[in-house]
Amino acid sequence: DGGITQSPKYLFRKEGQNVTLSCEQNLNHDAMYWYRQDPGQGLRLIYYSQIVNDFQKGDIAEGYSVSREKKESFPLTVTSAQKNPTAFYLCASSIQLAGGTQYFGPGTRLLVL
Amino acid sequence: AQTVTQSQPEMSVQEAETVTLSCTYDTSENNYYLFWYKQPPSRQMILVIRQEAYKQQNATENRFSVNFQKAAKSFSLKISDSQLGDTAMYFCAFMKLLGNTPLVFGKGTRLSVIA
Repeated sequence: DGGITQSPKYLFRKEGQNVTLSCEQNLNHDAMYWYRQDPGQGLRLIYYSQIVNDFQKGDIAEGYSVSREKKESFPLTVTSAQKNPTAFYLCASSIQLAGGTQYFGPGTRLLVL
Repeated sequence: AQTVTQSQPEMSVQEAETVTLSCTYDTSENNYYLFWYKQPPSRQMILVIRQEAYKQQNATENRFSVNFQKAAKSFSLKISDSQLGDTAMYFCAFMKLLGNTPLVFGKGTRLSVIA
């Protein structure tokens, strides 16, 4: 089946620890995105990538890092510099066309121990 | 920068009735796209409907339709014959015309359908 997968479903982070959220798609989409969702805040953009080996910061990139070594994969690392990482993280992808609809993965819930 | 405002944090509707969710946006762009996404309790984001700003005709998808007023920068979602499965958070989103630009989301409206 074609789609977007995110793992793990739940992730626990200890203080000072870096953690990596996985996002994989087999839709042959060029662009991929990471959004953060907090209660009452809607979705806010962390990073996005329009092509392999290139990515741009979003509105809340501080404390996060990404890589785009393969078209199918766009992992997000939450570093120890992110002081309030507890949130729901959503990955999305879209085709390389104007107005290309973004399709979302099932999300990862990150909690701090 | 673009902003999207959903002024109704919560709404409820009786099963089989019609409900309208409001969305306004601010942009200096002339051509763009607007979307409504649904997020049920599973938290999976699902596309409900999309509208191209250069099209005057309002988009419809089965029981879902929009009222797009470009001059007023308004993009409301009407759900007809509401069903229990429509219970979800609904997000309005804006995207520039150029390809692969990120979505700008409103803060969402929580809709409860009551039996």
